[in-house]
Amino acid sequence: AQSVTQLDSHVSVSEGTPVLLRCNYSSSYSPSLFWYVQHPNKGLQLLLKYTSAATLVKGINGFEAEFKKSETSFHLTKPSAHMSDAAEYFCVVGSGNTGKLIFGQGTTLQVKP
Amino acid sequence: DAGVIQSPRHEVTEMGQEVTLRCKPISGHNSLFWYRQTMMRGLELLIYFNNNVPIDDSGMPEDRFSAKMPNASFSTLKIQPSEPRDSAVYFCASSLEGRVGQPQHFGDGTRLSIL
Repeated sequence: AQSVTQLDSHVSVSEGTPVLLRCNYSSSYSPSLFWYVQHPNKGLQLLLKYTSAATLVKGINGFEAEFKKSETSFHLTKPSAHMSDAAEYFCVVGSGNTGKLIFGQGTTLQVKP
Repeated sequence: DAGVIQSPRHEVTEMGQEVTLRCKPISGHNSLFWYRQTMMRGLELLIYFNNNVPIDDSGMPEDRFSAKMPNASFSTLKIQPSEPRDSAVYFCASSLEGRVGQPQHFGDGTRLSIL
């Protein structure tokens, strides 16, 4: 069975400093992994996805994530936070051979001026 | 390109009333998903369709909830009768082929309040 754990429910950074949102996954085979972002009163937007190609995945808005099989991790990073990055971030793993997704509980990113 | 379109964006109604939420998936996508999001339970998958056929409805909370997909471009989620505990944001998402590795594209949701 697949599962995903987001290690921090809340992360606070200052504008211009790096962002690190941590995610560990569990999967019995090579997983498909995603990061989604949700701004207030909006739907979830795909940031990036990993599907067994390059282990370093670049996404939109300067975000990237690195797949580390040995650590079963898929952490999301950004070199310099912007105020507009303040949102809820979800780490997601694909479930089996269906199109279903398993969502983490989310990490709220706060960006301070 | 038009994304997933949900209507209404907001719905406020009294308990006992029937509520119908609507979704138009992205053209060409053949998998459609209904989710419910609350503070307490986070994001829950209610039901999903592949090629208009319900594949997994194990997340539907009870018989008061029903979902249909009469054609590839339209789906409804109905609650009858509605209860205050149904208050949540309901999202519709669609994807291509429903296979592993295909991302889902979300609508902006319907914020439902049952008084």
